[in-house]
Amino acid sequence: DTAVSQTPKYLVTQMGNDKSIKCEQNLGHDTMYWYKQDSKKFLKIMFSYNNKELIINETVPNRFSPKSPDKAHLNLHINSLELGDSAVYFCASSLDSIRGNTIYFGEGSWLTVV
Amino acid sequence: GNSVTQMEGPVTLSEEAFLTINCTYTATGYPSLFWYVQYPGEGLQLLLKATKADDKGSNKGFEATYRKETTSFHLEKGSVQVSDSAVYFCALSDPQAAGNKLTFGGGTRVLVKP
Repeated sequence: DTAVSQTPKYLVTQMGNDKSIKCEQNLGHDTMYWYKQDSKKFLKIMFSYNNKELIINETVPNRFSPKSPDKAHLNLHINSLELGDSAVYFCASSLDSIRGNTIYFGEGSWLTVV
Repeated sequence: GNSVTQMEGPVTLSEEAFLTINCTYTATGYPSLFWYVQYPGEGLQLLLKATKADDKGSNKGFEATYRKETTSFHLEKGSVQVSDSAVYFCALSDPQAAGNKLTFGGGTRVLVKP
């Protein structure tokens, strides 16, 4: 069973479109995250939710809107996609938001904007 | 701010060679330290972690020791296999962040040849 699963795995879309990436974890964790990996493999946190509440919001354009309907799900919606949004987006989770807890990552969603 | 610096790759080795990937960090306070591995086309997997000074993390033949005096967490493996070809990321859990936030190094690509 996949612990942190995200869909779709691959997404190719045109500039200006709106798209969503869904994420679910079956680990019973309270905290979930979105990380972005750019073309040079650099990884950076975007958002973190703890029990459906936003606790980390890095400097991300407001075209990106996370939504957490319950603590097992954290979806990422992106409006008006731009070429620079092409990246791999990783969903992740941890037991709670205490610093140092292990963060478990999903397999990534490869987004290509053309 | 916090940062993680890794040796740039790619690192190319022959099978059964000794692998070292250097990682140093800058942080205010006492972070937890992690190594993650990303195999080709896959997501991030936790390889090992250490939560305090002098702790040694180990897994799958890999080891890393948390050295507070040199602010380092170098990854080592005594005898690599072709299947160890991957990108390796050093990361720290930001001790000052509100919430559990990983700061990653730039990644080191390792290629093991038969």
